[in-house]
Parts: sequence; C-alpha cells; structure tokens
Amino acid sequence: GENVEQHPSTLSVQEGDSAVIKCTYSDSASNYFPWYKQELGKRPQLIIDIRSNVGEKKDQRIAVTLNKTAKHFSLHITETQPEDSAVYFCAATPGPGGTSYGKLTFGQGTILTVHP
Amino acid sequence: GAVVSQHPSWVICKSGTSVKIECRSLDFQATTMFWYRQFPKQSLMLMATSNEGSKATYEQGVEKDKFLINHASLTLSTLTVTSAHPEDSSFYICGRDRGYGYTFGSGTRLTVV
Repeated sequence: GENVEQHPSTLSVQEGDSAVIKCTYSDSASNYFPWYKQELGKRPQLIIDIRSNVGEKKDQRIAVTLNKTAKHFSLHITETQPEDSAVYFCAATPGPGGTSYGKLTFGQGTILTVHP
Repeated sequence: GAVVSQHPSWVICKSGTSVKIECRSLDFQATTMFWYRQFPKQSLMLMATSNEGSKATYEQGVEKDKFLINHASLTLSTLTVTSAHPEDSSFYICGRDRGYGYTFGSGTRLTVV
C-alpha cells in the first residue's frame, strides 16, 4: 500500500518568514495530494490540494508543488503569520478504478510554530 | 456549512460499554465513507471503509468485531466501538471523497474511563 513520509516533524519560523514542508509517497497510482491544517481538537481543514496533472498550484500565501517522477510534493507558506501555527498534514490517494480509491494515507504531520 | 455531520462531538464512557458514532452525508448520497482514527499527537490512520448495503472493509490490524460499521442508507454511516477500553480513547473522524475533494466530519473525541 501507499506510504507517505513527511518532514520536518517540527518547524519554527519568525513571522514573515517562509515555511516549507515536504512529503514523499511510494505508490505511483496516487494522483490526488491534499494538505490539511489541524488545530487542536478540531477536524483537519483542507488548505490546498493538487492533482497529478499539474506541477504547481498557488492560493494567495500558500502553494503546493508536485514532482511525480520523484514522487514528492511540498507545501510552501510565505509571509507566515502567528495564526498559521498548527499541525499540517500531507496526504495522498489514488484515483478511481483501484481498490484503494478514496483512501487517504497521511504523512506524520508537521507542527508549525510562527513566532511573532 | 458542514456537508458531513458527525455526532457526538465528544463522549465519555465507562470501560466495557459501547459507543455509537454517526456520520451523515448532508449534501449528496455517499455509497462509500471512510473512518479514521487519530491518537493524541499522531497522524490520522484509516480504520475502515464503509460501503452502503454491504460489509465494511477493514484495514490491517483493525478488529472488525470491535469496531462495528453500519452503512444502512446512502446518507448515514455509523461506527460502534464495542466493549470500549481506555486504549480505545482517541479522535474518530469520518470522511468521504466526492472525486474532486475530500470532506471530513467534525470528529468525535472518545474518552474511555
């Protein structure tokens, strides 16, 4: 099955700096890669996602890049703010047609702390 | 508003009792829903796939007789933790895939005392 590795486990930055979180995956059938932000005690919230037919996607301060050949994807947050502090998870899932369709495999999570 | 409704949001139960968690798809009929578990300070792990009108499929290491899943209608999936023990204390969350995005319920914090 799919295996998703996420690094770093913790990341501390100063307000205004950029933050980068990286993930690698193992299953070449995976074609949907969402990123979630989870605050304490709450459900994961989708912040950005990317499908395998594109290499980069941007939404204001957040961007995701995907390298299907190398099987890795990254989250980039620019101009970080204290309210960006949370746990971030990457995930991967294959497309329709396979037995694992719809099953999300998560990375281990990254605790991001943005210092004012 | 939330398109996947999950209840209860938190529950405390005594060891040995059973707890039922409901997950409702509010905006469309979901033939498949997924149940995840998240232990404190850990990632989310898929427990099982809930299939409308048929048996659930469980991930390796998940006891099907302990975590009963029922998906009797196209909008409701339930997870029952039977004979709960303190080690079952966790955050349980359901989710569904619409093909162009994944939506989670609000999660259920289970504490077994």
